Parts: sequence; C-alpha cells; structure tokens
Amino acid sequence: KAGVTQTPRYLIKTRGQQVTLSCSPISGHRSVSWYQQTPGQGLQFLFEYFSETQRNKGNFPGRFSGRQFSNSRSEMNVSTLELGDSALYLCASSLVGTRGEQFFGPGTRLTVL
Amino acid sequence: SQKIEQNSEALNIQEGKTATLTCNYTNYSPAYLQWYRQDPGRGPVFLLLIRENEKEKRKERLKVTFDTTLKQSLFHITASQPADSATYLCALVLLYGGATNKLIFGTGTLLAVQP
Repeated sequence: KAGVTQTPRYLIKTRGQQVTLSCSPISGHRSVSWYQQTPGQGLQFLFEYFSETQRNKGNFPGRFSGRQFSNSRSEMNVSTLELGDSALYLCASSLVGTRGEQFFGPGTRLTVL
Repeated sequence: SQKIEQNSEALNIQEGKTATLTCNYTNYSPAYLQWYRQDPGRGPVFLLLIRENEKEKRKERLKVTFDTTLKQSLFHITASQPADSATYLCALVLLYGGATNKLIFGTGTLLAVQP
C-alpha cells in the first residue's frame, strides 16, 4: 500500500503571498490531519478533516484553512504569509481519526522570506 | 497551564543498555497516549498506543507505561542499538465527545545510542 504523499516537498515564498499544500492519504483512510512543526514550538495540530468535513481545529489564526475532497485528498492553504509561518507542514492520515494511529507523510518544508 | 514535557536534554546511552524516556503532562486528561519516532527530515512514525485503563504495553523491544495518577508515561527501549537513534515524541489523545478529538504532541527527546 502506498504511503501518505505530500506535494510539493519544498517551497519558498515571500511575505504576503499565499500558498497551497497538498496531501494524498493512504487508500481507504478518510481522516486527514495537518500539523505544523517548528524547532521552537514542536509539532502543533492545525486541523483534521474526515469525509470532507472539518472535525477538529487547533489554535491557529484564520489565515490557515483547509479542505478535503471526495477522494479524501486534502489541501491546506495559508494566506498572507508571515515569516513565522516558515515550518515543516506534515499531513497524517488515519482510519479512525486523531485517537488512532497516525500515518505521516514526509512533509512540505515552507520557507517564507 | 497545560504542558507536556519530555526529557529536556538529549539522552545518550551505550549500545545494549535500556533507554528510558519520560513524558509528563499537566492539566490534561488524556484518554490515550501514543509514542512516535521521528528521524531527521522525515515525518513521525507510530510506535505504540496505550489507553488510560492500561498500565503497560509491549511490542518487541519497546515497552510503554502509563500512570494517570502521576500523569506520566515512560517509554523503554531494551537492548538499544545505534539504529534506535532518533527523536521520540509522546502524544496525548484528548477526547471532547463525539468525534471531536485532538492529538497534542510533546517536544520530543533526542536519543543517541553510542556503539
């Protein structure tokens, strides 16, 4: 079974721009969660989607949004980028959601200049 | 305030010894606790899950304990090998009713196993 894939793997943007990251979960997984990882804050939960509905949300500003498609693929969007948004963005898929085993993708490394 | 704390310093041990990593939490009531391994430049990999009513869980050379009174989980790797060197993350699963849950990660412990 193919693992979780994320595209692109690396991205460089400038302040004020917006960015869209993509995640393809493991086949059969309907839950997709997004996380931000930085050296200072560690791994922080952004949101979880299940069957195209946002089911859980972390404490991030409204500039961070996401969606999930009928094939369970998910996208995450960050608008009006700030320097502090530079991070590794990880997506994880799961059969049962956040209470179960999470299968993480390799991440997208976003650098904001 | 709510906190999850793991060994603040890197843990260095000799090959063959048992590595013990700690995860302490404050002002959380997790229903489950998970442990993950993360190698540089890669996403975390799930290792073990333990429920609040379970005291101990084992998988091959790995053992996890969960003490809800002490608000602590211990993660043991026996007969450690250099290939076990990585960052280990604990994560609390918080249930808010229905399907509303959150997974909150600790800051991680960097384990280095010396040959």
